[in-house]
Amino acid sequence: DADVTQTPRNRITKTGKRIMLECSQTKGHDRMYWYRQDPGLGLRLIYYSFDVKDINKGEISDGYSVSRQAQAKFSLSLESAIPNQTALYFCATSNHGGTVNEQFFGPGTRLTVL
Amino acid sequence: GQNIDQPTEMTATEGAIVQINCTYQTSGFNGLFWYQQHAGEAPTFLSYNVLDGLEEKGRFSSFLSRSKGYSYLLLKELQMKDSASYLCAVGKAAGNKLTFGGGTRVLVKP
Repeated sequence: DADVTQTPRNRITKTGKRIMLECSQTKGHDRMYWYRQDPGLGLRLIYYSFDVKDINKGEISDGYSVSRQAQAKFSLSLESAIPNQTALYFCATSNHGGTVNEQFFGPGTRLTVL
Repeated sequence: GQNIDQPTEMTATEGAIVQINCTYQTSGFNGLFWYQQHAGEAPTFLSYNVLDGLEEKGRFSSFLSRSKGYSYLLLKELQMKDSASYLCAVGKAAGNKLTFGGGTRVLVKP
Protein backbone atom coordinates (compact mmCIF):
# COMPACT_ATOMS: atom_id res chain seq x y z
CA ASP A 1 0.00 0.00 0.00
CA ALA A 2 1.52 3.31 -1.16
CA ASP A 3 0.61 5.33 1.92
CA VAL A 4 3.61 7.65 1.56
CA THR A 5 4.66 8.60 -1.96
CA GLN A 6 7.54 10.66 -3.23
CA THR A 7 8.11 12.32 -6.59
CA PRO A 8 10.32 12.17 -8.49
CA ARG A 9 11.95 8.84 -7.68
CA ASN A 10 15.14 9.77 -9.46
CA ARG A 11 16.52 13.14 -10.51
CA ILE A 12 19.74 14.30 -12.08
CA THR A 13 20.39 18.01 -12.08
CA LYS A 14 23.21 20.51 -12.40
CA THR A 15 24.91 22.72 -9.85
CA GLY A 16 22.96 25.91 -9.19
CA LYS A 17 19.56 24.60 -10.27
CA ARG A 18 16.49 24.82 -8.04
CA ILE A 19 14.97 21.46 -7.23
CA MET A 20 11.73 20.51 -5.49
CA LEU A 21 11.01 17.08 -4.06
CA GLU A 22 7.41 16.25 -3.25
CA CYS A 23 5.95 14.00 -0.57
CA SER A 24 2.30 13.00 -0.19
CA GLN A 25 0.63 10.76 2.36
CA THR A 26 -2.77 9.16 2.75
CA LYS A 27 -2.21 7.95 6.30
CA GLY A 28 -3.85 10.99 7.87
CA HIS A 29 -0.76 11.62 9.98
CA ASP A 30 -0.08 15.10 11.29
CA ARG A 31 3.71 14.89 11.48
CA MET A 32 6.02 14.77 8.48
CA TYR A 33 9.80 14.63 8.13
CA TRP A 34 12.52 14.94 5.50
CA TYR A 35 15.76 12.96 5.81
CA ARG A 36 18.78 12.47 3.65
CA GLN A 37 20.81 9.27 3.63
CA ASP A 38 24.47 9.03 2.73
CA PRO A 39 26.58 5.86 2.82
CA GLY A 40 27.98 5.27 6.30
CA LEU A 41 26.18 8.29 7.80
CA GLY A 42 22.74 6.86 8.27
CA LEU A 43 19.62 8.99 8.03
CA ARG A 44 19.92 12.63 9.02
CA LEU A 45 16.94 14.88 9.70
CA ILE A 46 16.65 17.96 7.48
CA TYR A 47 13.29 19.46 8.49
CA TYR A 48 10.13 18.33 10.21
CA SER A 49 6.58 19.61 10.59
CA PHE A 50 4.00 18.96 13.30
CA ASP A 51 1.07 20.33 11.30
CA VAL A 52 0.14 22.63 8.44
CA LYS A 53 2.30 25.77 8.37
CA ASP A 54 4.49 24.43 11.21
CA ILE A 55 8.16 24.13 10.21
CA ASN A 56 11.14 23.07 12.32
CA LYS A 57 14.79 22.72 11.43
CA GLY A 58 16.53 19.40 11.82
CA GLU A 59 20.23 18.78 12.20
CA ILE A 60 21.23 19.62 8.61
CA SER A 61 18.82 22.28 7.29
CA ASP A 62 21.36 24.59 5.62
CA GLY A 63 20.81 24.76 1.86
CA TYR A 64 17.26 23.38 2.12
CA SER A 65 13.78 24.79 2.63
CA VAL A 66 10.39 23.13 3.06
CA SER A 67 6.71 23.91 2.66
CA ARG A 68 3.71 22.32 4.40
CA GLN A 69 0.64 23.85 2.76
CA ALA A 70 -1.63 20.87 3.44
CA GLN A 71 -1.62 18.10 5.99
CA ALA A 72 -1.01 15.47 3.34
CA LYS A 73 1.85 17.24 1.53
CA PHE A 74 5.37 18.24 2.54
CA SER A 75 7.80 19.48 -0.08
CA LEU A 76 11.56 19.92 0.14
CA SER A 77 13.41 22.48 -1.97
CA LEU A 78 17.05 22.91 -2.80
CA GLU A 79 17.32 26.57 -3.80
CA SER A 80 20.67 26.21 -5.51
CA ALA A 81 21.78 22.60 -5.71
CA ILE A 82 25.41 21.67 -5.07
CA PRO A 83 27.19 18.33 -5.62
CA ASN A 84 27.42 17.44 -1.91
CA GLN A 85 23.62 17.39 -1.83
CA THR A 86 23.78 14.23 -3.92
CA ALA A 87 22.03 11.68 -1.69
CA LEU A 88 18.98 9.51 -1.17
CA TYR A 89 16.13 11.58 0.28
CA PHE A 90 13.33 10.09 2.35
CA CYS A 91 10.08 11.56 3.52
CA ALA A 92 8.43 10.06 6.61
CA THR A 93 5.21 10.51 8.56
CA SER A 94 4.05 9.72 12.05
CA ASN A 95 1.06 10.21 14.25
CA HIS A 96 1.02 11.42 17.83
CA GLY A 97 -0.73 10.39 20.99
CA GLY A 98 -0.24 6.65 20.58
CA THR A 99 2.10 4.28 22.35
CA VAL A 100 4.75 3.77 19.71
CA ASN A 101 4.29 6.49 17.04
CA GLU A 102 6.75 4.92 14.66
CA GLN A 103 7.66 6.74 11.48
CA PHE A 104 6.57 5.45 8.09
CA PHE A 105 8.90 6.14 5.19
CA GLY A 106 8.28 6.88 1.55
CA PRO A 107 10.19 5.00 -1.19
CA GLY A 108 12.90 7.65 -1.48
CA THR A 109 14.18 10.05 -4.13
CA ARG A 110 17.67 9.52 -5.50
CA LEU A 111 19.10 12.94 -6.32
CA THR A 112 22.33 13.46 -8.23
CA VAL A 113 23.80 16.95 -8.55
CA LEU A 114 26.45 17.24 -11.24
CA GLY B 1 23.54 15.91 21.41
CA GLN B 2 23.16 12.26 20.62
CA ASN B 3 25.76 9.67 19.77
CA ILE B 4 24.62 6.30 18.43
CA ASP B 5 27.04 3.49 17.63
CA GLN B 6 26.43 0.19 15.92
CA PRO B 7 28.73 -2.13 13.95
CA THR B 8 29.09 -1.40 10.27
CA GLU B 9 28.74 -4.92 8.96
CA MET B 10 28.07 -8.48 10.14
CA THR B 11 28.01 -11.79 8.33
CA ALA B 12 26.06 -14.87 9.42
CA THR B 13 24.93 -18.20 8.04
CA GLU B 14 21.40 -19.09 7.04
CA GLY B 15 19.56 -20.64 9.98
CA ALA B 16 21.88 -19.11 12.56
CA ILE B 17 21.37 -16.26 15.04
CA VAL B 18 22.84 -12.77 14.83
CA GLN B 19 22.85 -10.07 17.49
CA ILE B 20 23.26 -6.43 16.47
CA ASN B 21 24.33 -4.14 19.28
CA CYS B 22 23.56 -0.45 19.57
CA THR B 23 24.90 1.95 22.19
CA TYR B 24 23.69 5.49 22.60
CA GLN B 25 24.13 8.66 24.60
CA THR B 26 21.17 10.99 24.63
CA SER B 27 18.97 13.36 26.58
CA GLY B 28 15.18 13.34 26.50
CA PHE B 29 15.02 9.63 25.68
CA ASN B 30 11.65 8.45 24.38
CA GLY B 31 12.26 4.97 23.10
CA LEU B 32 14.61 2.94 20.96
CA PHE B 33 13.51 1.94 17.48
CA TRP B 34 14.88 -0.67 15.10
CA TYR B 35 14.27 -0.43 11.36
CA GLN B 36 15.12 -2.80 8.52
CA GLN B 37 16.24 -1.38 5.19
CA HIS B 38 16.86 -3.44 2.07
CA ALA B 39 19.25 -1.89 -0.44
CA GLY B 40 17.66 0.99 -2.30
CA GLU B 41 14.39 0.70 -0.39
CA ALA B 42 12.65 2.57 2.40
CA PRO B 43 13.32 1.70 6.04
CA THR B 44 10.53 -0.34 7.61
CA PHE B 45 9.71 -0.44 11.31
CA LEU B 46 10.71 -3.59 13.20
CA SER B 47 10.52 -2.92 16.93
CA TYR B 48 10.27 -0.39 19.72
CA ASN B 49 11.52 -0.49 23.31
CA VAL B 50 10.83 2.20 25.86
CA LEU B 51 11.14 0.15 29.05
CA ASP B 52 14.02 -2.12 30.02
CA GLY B 53 13.77 -5.69 28.91
CA LEU B 54 13.15 -7.90 25.94
CA GLU B 55 10.44 -7.50 23.32
CA GLU B 56 9.83 -10.51 21.10
CA LYS B 57 8.18 -10.48 17.69
CA GLY B 58 8.46 -13.81 15.92
CA ARG B 59 12.04 -14.34 14.77
CA PHE B 60 13.07 -10.85 15.86
CA SER B 61 13.65 -9.70 19.44
CA SER B 62 14.90 -6.39 20.78
CA PHE B 63 16.39 -5.63 24.16
CA LEU B 64 16.88 -2.34 25.99
CA SER B 65 18.87 -1.26 29.04
CA ARG B 66 18.30 2.44 29.64
CA SER B 67 20.86 2.69 32.45
CA LYS B 68 23.57 1.32 30.16
CA GLY B 69 22.43 3.16 27.03
CA TYR B 70 22.36 -0.17 25.24
CA SER B 71 20.07 -2.09 22.95
CA TYR B 72 20.37 -5.12 20.74
CA LEU B 73 18.35 -6.65 17.94
CA LEU B 74 18.37 -10.43 17.79
CA LEU B 75 17.56 -12.16 14.53
CA LYS B 76 16.89 -15.88 14.86
CA GLU B 77 16.60 -18.63 12.24
CA LEU B 78 18.20 -16.36 9.68
CA GLN B 79 16.84 -16.42 6.16
CA MET B 80 18.43 -15.11 2.99
CA LYS B 81 15.80 -12.37 2.83
CA ASP B 82 17.12 -11.02 6.15
CA SER B 83 20.17 -9.67 4.30
CA ALA B 84 19.64 -5.94 4.79
CA SER B 85 20.77 -2.98 6.83
CA TYR B 86 19.41 -2.65 10.36
CA LEU B 87 19.06 0.87 11.71
CA CYS B 88 19.06 1.72 15.40
CA ALA B 89 17.27 5.01 16.19
CA VAL B 90 16.74 6.90 19.41
CA GLY B 91 13.47 8.76 19.84
CA LYS B 92 13.06 12.12 21.52
CA ALA B 93 9.80 13.16 23.12
CA ALA B 94 9.43 16.40 21.21
CA GLY B 95 7.94 15.80 17.78
CA ASN B 96 8.69 12.08 17.61
CA LYS B 97 12.13 13.02 16.35
CA LEU B 98 14.47 10.15 15.62
CA THR B 99 18.24 10.15 15.54
CA PHE B 100 19.65 7.24 13.59
CA GLY B 101 22.86 5.31 13.87
CA GLY B 102 24.83 4.57 10.74
CA GLY B 103 23.19 1.18 10.28
CA THR B 104 24.53 -2.37 10.37
CA ARG B 105 24.66 -4.25 7.10
CA VAL B 106 23.90 -7.94 7.68
CA LEU B 107 24.88 -10.42 5.02
CA VAL B 108 23.31 -13.87 5.29
CA LYS B 109 25.26 -16.61 3.53
CA PRO B 110 23.94 -20.05 2.53
